[in-house]
Amino acid sequence: QQQVKQSPQSLIVQKGGISIINCAYENTAFDYFPWYQQFPGKGPALLIAIRPDVSEKKEGRFTISFNKSAKQFSLHIMDSQPGDSATYFCAANGSARQLTFGSGTQLTVLP
Amino acid sequence: NAGVTQTPKFQVLKTGQSMTLQCAQDMNHNSMYWYRQDPGMGLRLIYYSASEGTTDKGEVPNGYNVSRLNKREFSLRLESAAPSQTSVYFCASSKRGQVPGELFFGEGSRLTVL
Repeated sequence: QQQVKQSPQSLIVQKGGISIINCAYENTAFDYFPWYQQFPGKGPALLIAIRPDVSEKKEGRFTISFNKSAKQFSLHIMDSQPGDSATYFCAANGSARQLTFGSGTQLTVLP
Repeated sequence: NAGVTQTPKFQVLKTGQSMTLQCAQDMNHNSMYWYRQDPGMGLRLIYYSASEGTTDKGEVPNGYNVSRLNKREFSLRLESAAPSQTSVYFCASSKRGQVPGELFFGEGSRLTVL
């Protein structure tokens, strides 16, 4: 049962463009929403995270937008670079203190 | 600065064979996890250990067993491998009391079951 739905499955963006990845959840008990970045042959690594009492969090070129009423959150990558090409996972933490991951988005940034 | 180390990195098994994936972390973390990653499925939790001496089932525990050997080491065992267990397995750890979303992952173990 997919409790966190992520889209799109793949995304191709030109260098300098904006990459947007969306996630939706159903469980209102989720209280922490991290994004992980994974390069080929490597394990995922925490990129940025947000709590539901905040509508937006920005770290450099990466921004999370959070809409609690719609139960949706998204990752925006501004001025996308070829080095950003990776797989991105959204996730949500619930009352069991376990992370539920989305299905992943493979981002390709063309030079 | 090793972090989370997994062995082996690659393994090919025949159906019915058994094997153990090893994981060790050197960050003095209390909690450890085993995930599997399959295309289009994201990362799914198999088992976790909140602290030394405890283990609990995750979302997809069937066909697996785990052992928390000590604070550093957490192993995953497949007693009778099946083709459905072909996957990339990731071990992760986190510090107790730290926000639970901050997991540190190893580089993965790619398992193929023929």
